[in-house]
Amino acid sequence: DAGITQSPRYKITETGRQVTLMCHQTWSHSYMFWYRQDLGHGLRLIYYSAAADITDKGEVPDGYVVSRSKTENFPLTLESATRSQTSVYFCASSEGLPIQETQYFGPGTRLLVL
Amino acid sequence: SQQGEEDPQALSIQEGENATMNCSYKTSINNLQWYRQNSGRGLVHLILIRSNEREKHSGRLRVTLDTSKKSSSLLITASRAADTASYFCATDGQGAQKLVFGQGTRLTINP
Repeated sequence: DAGITQSPRYKITETGRQVTLMCHQTWSHSYMFWYRQDLGHGLRLIYYSAAADITDKGEVPDGYVVSRSKTENFPLTLESATRSQTSVYFCASSEGLPIQETQYFGPGTRLLVL
Repeated sequence: SQQGEEDPQALSIQEGENATMNCSYKTSINNLQWYRQNSGRGLVHLILIRSNEREKHSGRLRVTLDTSKKSSSLLITASRAADTASYFCATDGQGAQKLVFGQGTRLTINP
């Protein structure tokens, strides 16, 4: 019963570097999400995916790229990291439409961009 | 932009007391969900209440929804130290495929 996992759990990088955060779920949920959590802003949706090969922007997509070639994986890439992307990143999944279903969250990745 | 706004931002009570947190939102919703986040962890779903429901219970949790006032409340009865966490409401007011989370209420239960 692995659920939803994220890796790495902690990451320090430098501005301008490319960083990929991994998310894996074992439930075959259709929907997957990436959020960032910052003090004063709560959770903000970066990207989401309704199924393999279907992705869409959330509230704060700039500077991020996602892909979903397999149902169980939803990596998030920061193409050229900036200090403003220092945050805690959460991946989540749900079986169906968010308006109807619970979202299950991973443990988070703490990213520091120097 | 935030759809749900929690109030208060922080709440500190004694163990055994009841804790009430409120959530207000701006646009019509299909459902409203409450989540808990323990320090350093991911969010955990607590309860979902649909727009045609007025009240829902789950153990020591009681959630109410007033669609005319666009508000919801989460009541935790007989609080325990383990209830110390941040609590978030989430709504679907921006479309069926997205939830929008508020900034949360930070609840501290003092022994």
